[in-house]
Amino acid sequence: LAKTTQPISMDSYEGQEVNITCSHNNIATNDYITWYQQFPSQGPRFIIQGYKTKVTNEVASLFIPADRKSSTLSLPRVSLSDTAVYYCLVGPTGTASKLTFGTGTRLQVTL
Amino acid sequence: SAVISQKPSRDICQRGTSLTIQCQVDSQVTMMFWYRQQPGQSLTLIATANQGSEATYESGFVIDKFPISRPNLTFSTLTVSNMSPEDSSIYLCSVTGLAGPTDTQYFGPGTRLTVL
Repeated sequence: LAKTTQPISMDSYEGQEVNITCSHNNIATNDYITWYQQFPSQGPRFIIQGYKTKVTNEVASLFIPADRKSSTLSLPRVSLSDTAVYYCLVGPTGTASKLTFGTGTRLQVTL
Repeated sequence: SAVISQKPSRDICQRGTSLTIQCQVDSQVTMMFWYRQQPGQSLTLIATANQGSEATYESGFVIDKFPISRPNLTFSTLTVSNMSPEDSSIYLCSVTGLAGPTDTQYFGPGTRLTVL
C-alpha cells in the first residue's frame, strides 16, 4: 500500500480557504485517493475520493495532478466546526481493500 | 444512508477481563473491518471480519487476543481478551458495500475502552 505524507498540523482563521497537501510518491495505477475527517471521540467520516484531475462535492474539492504523486484537499471558507484531523489515504478500492491510515493533519480553526 | 452502530459506546474494565464489542449495520454490507486507535494516534487495522469463516488478522494481532465473529452480513463482534492497560483505545468497525463512490469504507462511532 502506498505510503502518504502530510503536514502534522495546520492553523487557519474562520472564513479562509484551507489547502492540505498529501504526498504519495509510490501510488499504484489502481490506487484511489481518499480523504477522511475525524472529530474527537468519533469515527472517521468520508469526505471525498478521486483518481485524477479534480473532484468536487458539497464539502470539499480534491485536486490531483497528472502524475498523481500528490493531492490537495481544499476546504472553502472553513468554520470553527471544521477543526478536526484530516487523513489522506491511498489504496485500491474494491471490497477487499484495506485502508492504511497515516498520521493525519490536525487542522485548528480559530476566530 | 445506512447506520452503523457500536455497543458499548464506552466501557471501563479491569485488567485480566474480556470485553466484546458489537458492530451492527442496518443493511447488508460486503466487508467489515476492525480498527484500533490508541490515544492521540492514528488508526491501525486489526483484522478483516469474514462472513462465515475465520477473520484475517494483520501483523501484530492474533486471534487469541482479538477473537472476531461475523455470523451474517450485518453484524460482527470483536472481543478484547485478557485485557491490560495497554489495550485502552478506541475500537472502530468499518464497512464497505454501502452506497457511495467506489466501495468507500464507512466507520462506526467507535467504542472507547479504558482498562484499569
